[in-house]
Amino acid sequence: EVQLLESGGGWVQPGGSLRLSCAASGFTFTYAMTWVRQAPGKGLEWVSTITGGGGDTFYADSVKGRFTISRDNSKNMLYLQMDSLRADDTALYYCAKALPVLSYDYWGQGTLVTVSS
Amino acid sequence: EIVMTQSPATLSVSPGERVTLSCRASQSVISSLAWYQQKPGQAPRLLLYGASTRATGIPARFSGSGSGTEFTLTISSLQSEDSAVYYCQQYRNWPLTFGGGTKVEIK
Repeated sequence: EVQLLESGGGWVQPGGSLRLSCAASGFTFTYAMTWVRQAPGKGLEWVSTITGGGGDTFYADSVKGRFTISRDNSKNMLYLQMDSLRADDTALYYCAKALPVLSYDYWGQGTLVTVSS
Repeated sequence: EIVMTQSPATLSVSPGERVTLSCRASQSVISSLAWYQQKPGQAPRLLLYGASTRATGIPARFSGSGSGTEFTLTISSLQSEDSAVYYCQQYRNWPLTFGGGTKVEIK
């Protein structure tokens, strides 16, 4: 059974940092992986994608230069380092597994990030 | 950035009725289009990719059509458990983008 379990969310002040983790199991961890976020009561927003080997990364303009996606294929782990956090980064952050095309067939339950003073 | 526009924003439909949701792209995404269903308090669920290919385990009442800039998600006979928000997503170009969603309510 495929499982994605996010952790690392919480409350942080503006300008602070958090590192999100996503533990993957139940599949060969060679697929592209993505972070998608959802602000309270809002729609889905793509944040970042990393290819299966980790060699290529992609970011939304809203997070470029502040967030870093990475993965450790030996541990089946996906990460999102979030620096210089702003109030508009407040959201539920999901990790998701890509099909061979960049649509996402498995999602975690999300980890909540709240940025507030 | 490719902007995805979904319509209508909300739809109220009786069980058993046919439902048609629309998704329009600001430029061609060919068939690089996925549909997701999200129920309250749950993660999104992939319904369709490649505009018309059902994901594993998705009931046959869900179907998709379109290419280029105009896409449609059809629910042939609405069930009570289909009450949800539906999102389209293009994966033709970076950045990946989602539509704003269509909320389907049961009358």
